[in-house]
Amino acid sequence: KAGVTQTPRYLIKTRGQQVTLSCSPISGHRSVSWYQQTPGQGLQFLFEYFSETQRNKGNFPGRFSGRQFSNSRSEMNVSTLELGDSALYLCASSPGTANNYGYTFGSGTRLTVV
Amino acid sequence: SQQGEEDPQALSIQEGENATMNCSYKTSINNLQWYRQNSGRGLVHLILIRSNEREKHSGRLRVTLDTSKKSSSLLITASRAADTASYFCATHRGETSGSRLTFGEGTQLTVNP
Repeated sequence: KAGVTQTPRYLIKTRGQQVTLSCSPISGHRSVSWYQQTPGQGLQFLFEYFSETQRNKGNFPGRFSGRQFSNSRSEMNVSTLELGDSALYLCASSPGTANNYGYTFGSGTRLTVV
Repeated sequence: SQQGEEDPQALSIQEGENATMNCSYKTSINNLQWYRQNSGRGLVHLILIRSNEREKHSGRLRVTLDTSKKSSSLLITASRAADTASYFCATHRGETSGSRLTFGEGTQLTVNP
């Protein structure tokens, strides 16, 4: 069974640009969550999607958005990039939202904003 | 904001020794999960303990949960150099608007050969 696939693995962008990150969950998993990891703030929740609907959102500005497609693949977008957006972005999939079994995480996308 | 606090922040031990990491949290939870992360890569799920459970084992891992003290501990027995990684606890709360994990700050474990 293929794991969670995140693309690209690494990305370098300039301040003010926008970026789109992609996540393909484990086949059959309908819930996708996104997390941001930085040395200063640690791991922080961004959003959760289930069946193409955003179910939950973390405390991030509106520049951070996402969506989920009918095949459960998810994308997140960050517009007007700031230096502080440099981080490891992790995607996690689970069968549903009840989460009694734990999440499977992808390897992450390392975003560097210069 | 981080709900969990973990201690120690860093732990260095010799191969064969046991490693214990502690986690405290602030709110009620559905379950508590432990994850491992190797050097800036993705998180690997280790073990999940439900709020009505007190202890759980998986291989060399033993997790305890004390909901009255809002704390959990992860014990790794007979550690190996390959156990060197960062370990995070994460609390899961079901919310009417969905669910999320809230992570602790992590413990960096170094196992010396």
